[in-house]
Amino acid sequence: QVQLVESGGGLVKPGGSLRLSCSASKFSFSDYYMSWIRQAPGKGLEWVAYISPSSSYTNLAEAVKGRFTISRDNAKSLLYLQMNTLKAEDTAVYYCARVPGVMGAPLYYFDSWGQGTPVTVSS
Amino acid sequence: EILLTQSPATLSMSLGERATISCRASQNVRSNLAWYQQTPGQAPRLLIYGASTRATGIPARFSGSGSGTEFTLTISSLQSEDFAVYYCQQYNNLPHGLSFGGGTKVDI
Repeated sequence: QVQLVESGGGLVKPGGSLRLSCSASKFSFSDYYMSWIRQAPGKGLEWVAYISPSSSYTNLAEAVKGRFTISRDNAKSLLYLQMNTLKAEDTAVYYCARVPGVMGAPLYYFDSWGQGTPVTVSS
Repeated sequence: EILLTQSPATLSMSLGERATISCRASQNVRSNLAWYQQTPGQAPRLLIYGASTRATGIPARFSGSGSGTEFTLTISSLQSEDFAVYYCQQYNNLPHGLSFGGGTKVDI
């Protein structure tokens, strides 16, 4: 059974930085696109970023472009989200999720999710 | 950006009843639509992809239909564990963003 475990969340001041990690196991991590999705308190889901298996392709939501970076380490089965210049509106639970594929092509929905790590941006 | 509008926002139901949730897309997303279930304090769980294909392990009482801009998630006979929030998500607007609907809460 696929396992995804996020870590690195916490309390940070506006303008600060944080790096989230997601440890993947029980599947071939290096074969899959991966993604980050967030959920502000009491709100719905918002896609944040995704990355291709080789890291050659990434895409980020407009709300975080220029501030967040998604990366991965396939040797360690780790997914990262580097978050800089954080704002109050970035406060959310951040989930990592696996993107399934067919014949190597991603399908861009999310078939497995971690339990999330909370990020609070406040002075 | 493709906007997804779910209705209703809240659905008050009883055990054993049939629940129907709608998701309307602002543009044609073909059949590139998924549905998720989220119970309190838990991560979302994939229910349906490709508008109508149940994910692995999802009970047959969950079904999805539609294409283009109009989609429906139906729960044929509500069980206690089905009281949750449901989200639709489109994945047609690539390489631009992916988007979710605002959610529908199914409560007792």
